[in-house]
Amino acid sequence: AQSVTQLGSHVSVSEGALVLLRCNYSSSVPPYLFWYVQYPNQGLQLLLKYTSAATLVKGINGFEAEFKKSETSFHLTKPSAHMSDAAEYFCAVSDAFMNYGGSQGNLIFGKGTKLSVKP
Amino acid sequence: NAGVTQTPKFQVLKTGQSMTLQCAQDMNHEYMSWYRQDPGMGLRLIHYSVGAGITDQGEVPNGYNVSRSTTEDFPLRLLSAAPSQTSVYFCASSYSQGLAGKYNEQFFGPGTRLTVL
Repeated sequence: AQSVTQLGSHVSVSEGALVLLRCNYSSSVPPYLFWYVQYPNQGLQLLLKYTSAATLVKGINGFEAEFKKSETSFHLTKPSAHMSDAAEYFCAVSDAFMNYGGSQGNLIFGKGTKLSVKP
Repeated sequence: NAGVTQTPKFQVLKTGQSMTLQCAQDMNHEYMSWYRQDPGMGLRLIHYSVGAGITDQGEVPNGYNVSRSTTEDFPLRLLSAAPSQTSVYFCASSYSQGLAGKYNEQFFGPGTRLTVL
């Protein structure tokens, strides 16, 4: 069964510092991977997705993530944190596989990492 | 397009009461799903549907019923609410995942915050 593990339920950085949020996945075949962001009292917004052979994925708001098969990781980074980045971030894997069609595409989420940005 | 809409935004129930959370989408998406979000647990799939008349259980289906009579609507019913169902509920939709190598993005609604006393 597929799963994702997010390391660290809370991460705190200073404004301008590097943001690194960790996600490791478990899947026997190349998975579709995602990062979602949830701002306080709002729904989920897609930050970026890995759905192809391009291992470095760029998303919105300056975020990017690198798919590393050898490490089964999909860590989210941003070079310089901004106060507006304070939110909860979720890593997710889909049960739809890249090499096969016709599945449901259900998402399996990690438990989330809350990012705080200090002035 | 309104996207995915959910009503109500907030609801307080007493134990044993029933209610229906509404979800609608205007994107002609075949796939719809319900998740619940609890602190420290992420989002967990309750039920999903791959088209009108077709539903299936997710990870945490107990205590919830769904039906899909139209493409647009996917209501979630709580038959006898329990305090353990206090949560934030999200509905999502997408085109079906028909082709290998092409992932259709899920779009989420704004959520319904439910408290069961």
